[in-house]
This record gives sequence, C-alpha cells and structure tokens, in this order.
Amino acid sequence: SAVISQKPSRDICQRGTSLTIQCQVDSQVTMMFWYRQQPGQSLTLIATANQGSEATYESGFVIDKFPISRPNLTFSTLTVSNMSPEDSSIYLCSVAGGTGYNEQFFGPGTRLTVL
Amino acid sequence: GENVEQHPSTLSVQEGDSAVIKCTYSDSASNYFPWYKQELGKRPQLIIDIRSNVGEKKDQRIAVTLNKTAKHFSLHITETQPEDSAVYFCAASRSGGFKTIFGAGTRLFVKA
Repeated sequence: SAVISQKPSRDICQRGTSLTIQCQVDSQVTMMFWYRQQPGQSLTLIATANQGSEATYESGFVIDKFPISRPNLTFSTLTVSNMSPEDSSIYLCSVAGGTGYNEQFFGPGTRLTVL
Repeated sequence: GENVEQHPSTLSVQEGDSAVIKCTYSDSASNYFPWYKQELGKRPQLIIDIRSNVGEKKDQRIAVTLNKTAKHFSLHITETQPEDSAVYFCAASRSGGFKTIFGAGTRLFVKA
C-alpha cells in the first residue's frame, strides 16, 4: 500500500483564519479523498480531489470553505477557510488502492483545534 | 441517499470471547465492503474486505460474511485479545470510483 504523509499533524488556530493541510503520497494515485472526522464520530467525505480539474464536493461542503488543490498525482492540499470552533476536527486524506475497488488507505490525519 | 447502519455502537467482551459487529447497506449496487480498525489517536487501517462475488472471507482470527439478498454484512473476531480494543468501521462502495459510505463505528473493549 502507498505511504501517505500529512502536514501539519496538528495545529491550534484562531477563528477567522485559514489553514492549509498538505497530503503527500509516495506513488502516483488516481483518486485522492479528503475526510473529516469529528471527535468520536465516523468519517465524512468532504471531497474527491481530481488531478487537473476541480474537486468534487459532497453535500454540505463548498469550495469557498474547503478549497482543494491537486497539482499532480502524488500531492493534494485542503484549506479550511475562515475557521470557526465548529471546524475543530481531524482531517484525513486517503488514496484508493487502484484495483478498481475502493480499498482506501488513510494518511495519519491533521488534528485541528479552532479557538 | 446511500446509507450504512452499524450495530452495536459499543461492545464489551472478555478476552478470549468472540465479537460480532453487524452492518446493513441501502445501495443494492454496492459491491465492495471493507472493514477498518482505528486505534485511539491513529488513522483508520483496512483490516479485511469482501467483494460481492464472495459470501465469506477469513484471515486468521477475523472473518467477514456477506448476505447480498439481505444487504447485510458482518465482522467476526474470534479469541479476542486486549489489542483488538479499538473502533471498527464498516463501509460500502461500488467499484469504479464511487465514494465509500462508512458506518457510524463500533467501539470494542476487550477486557483482560
């Protein structure tokens, strides 16, 4: 499976500011995803990061709040914009295994606290 | 929309006993059913999966069963050990790039 890293691993931010999270994969992957996991909760898909085109957002998530970049097949960023305490969560990137089925492998996550 | 229901939300067993976690899915076109284990403060890790052309799959102490007619699948852990304590998520998806829908999770406690 791919080796996935995320930066930063954690951050504490002030409300109204923005944070960009980076996801790096050690091999080229077609599909990358960004998830949010609130404390004690399940994984909620924010968007699918498409290389060379705009990300595909899930219901309840918009590009102005969560802009995503995917400049190549090994890297993506998620920005959490104009943060509020409700954005405090763990943000995880994941990649699909490439067999045609959706086995996913997750990065270590970024723990965000907004004060 | 698509939904995956998972039960129980919490499960406590004695070391050596078996644990069973059950999930149902709503999208009849789902054909891939992974299970993830998430230890405290760690990322979710894929532990086993099953595809719709198979009814059962086993890997050492863990096994998954799938009933496509009932849209139901289960995770079975035998001879549980304290290190099995974690949150387990079931999920369902279709092949070809469709998104994965996760269950709400089951917190498993294995008491020594």
